[in-house]
Amino acid sequence: GEDVEQSLFLSVREGDSSVINCTYTDSSSTYLYWYKQEPGAGLQLLTYIFSNMDMKQDQRLTVLLNKKDKHLSLRIADTQTGDSAIYFCAESNPGYSTLTFGKGTMLLVSP
Amino acid sequence: SAVISQKPSRDICQRGTSLTIQCQVDSQVTMMFWYRQQPGQSLTLIATANQGSEATYESGFVIDKFPISRPNLTFSTLTVSNMSPEDSSIYLCSVEEGTNYGYTFGSGTRLTVV
Repeated sequence: GEDVEQSLFLSVREGDSSVINCTYTDSSSTYLYWYKQEPGAGLQLLTYIFSNMDMKQDQRLTVLLNKKDKHLSLRIADTQTGDSAIYFCAESNPGYSTLTFGKGTMLLVSP
Repeated sequence: SAVISQKPSRDICQRGTSLTIQCQVDSQVTMMFWYRQQPGQSLTLIATANQGSEATYESGFVIDKFPISRPNLTFSTLTVSNMSPEDSSIYLCSVEEGTNYGYTFGSGTRLTVV
């Protein structure tokens, strides 16, 4: 079955870069997503990458995809205290229009 | 992207009662999804709701416990029936906008059952 794994916690200092990692098992995944969930809020789509891409950059966010190793990462440059949240990795696959989520990585940014 | 209004944002309910959560989308969408996020956990899909047909439930979820309505292409409800403390979770609706990327989520309903 499908499985998405993430580390549970990451702590960085303000101004540093954060790297959140994710592994998945479904090789037929077509899109991979990163969502952000702030305390008491719903999920906000941060970015996504199509499975035939290696990298996608969007302002402070860089997504790297290693399809061979089924490894996805999200790098946040110049991390700010407002980036403190839970970050979820998710995958979708053809023919099944729902998402499989990881358990989420709590990012704590200290001043 | 679509804008989703989800109500209520939170509620505290007595065990044995039922709560209906509403999800309103500002555009017509074919598929709507209901997820549950238990405390400290990831999101688990409850069911998929298409307009004009019965919802499709995932393993471990049944219609009697989580009845869903989908009367039109912009609206859906999820009812949590005969609640127990184990139903305390965040419930989120989501839509796929037909572009095959980016699923939009409502802000969630934080349910506490006492």
